Amino acid sequence: GQNIDQPTEMTATEGAIVQINCTYQTSGFNGLFWYQQHAGEAPTFLSYNVLDGLEEKGRFSSFLSRSKGYSYLLLKELQMKDSASYLCAVISGNTGKLIFGQGTTLQVKP
Amino acid sequence: DVKVTQSSRYLVKRTGEKVFLECVQDMDHENMFWYRQDPGLGLRLIYFSYDVKMKEKGDIPEGYSVSREKKERFSLILESASTNQTSMYLCASTYTGTGEQPQHFGDGTRLSIL
Repeated sequence: GQNIDQPTEMTATEGAIVQINCTYQTSGFNGLFWYQQHAGEAPTFLSYNVLDGLEEKGRFSSFLSRSKGYSYLLLKELQMKDSASYLCAVISGNTGKLIFGQGTTLQVKP
Repeated sequence: DVKVTQSSRYLVKRTGEKVFLECVQDMDHENMFWYRQDPGLGLRLIYFSYDVKMKEKGDIPEGYSVSREKKERFSLILESASTNQTSMYLCASTYTGTGEQPQHFGDGTRLSIL
């Protein structure tokens, strides 16, 4: 079967670093996305990984290990506006179909 | 910027009604998707379409149908609405093919079935 696991909730302090993990078991892996979703809003694209290693974009980085079926999203210098849900999603097949994890709700505290 | 527009942000309907949710994208994307999002369950794919008049079932198609008569528009239809279809519905679109082609989402329709 296909399965994606993320922690349900995380809490971190403003200015700190937080790592959100995602493990997956899917067929036909074609890449992994991270999305951010603020309450009541649409998910927005954060990052894409298809090769092993780290992709850095400003305060956000995403890592992939295909052999381990594992990814993480790293958020540095946390800000209050980073309080949101973070969705891990794996591409299945070549139609762009995504399989989503349940999402991790991150709360940033002062 | 890509714009995916859903016709309603909030909708209240009654059990047994036929409900139409509309989605329009302005970037000539081939692929369009309908999801529902429920607490603790994440986004689940209902139907998707990779071309005009083409459709594929997702993971939870029961009780739903779709229509794609024009490339830019993808409609989700609840044939006879039931209370367990109360949810947030999200539409998305993307270009065809593999690679870094993120799905672009609309703002969602929060549907309540009474």
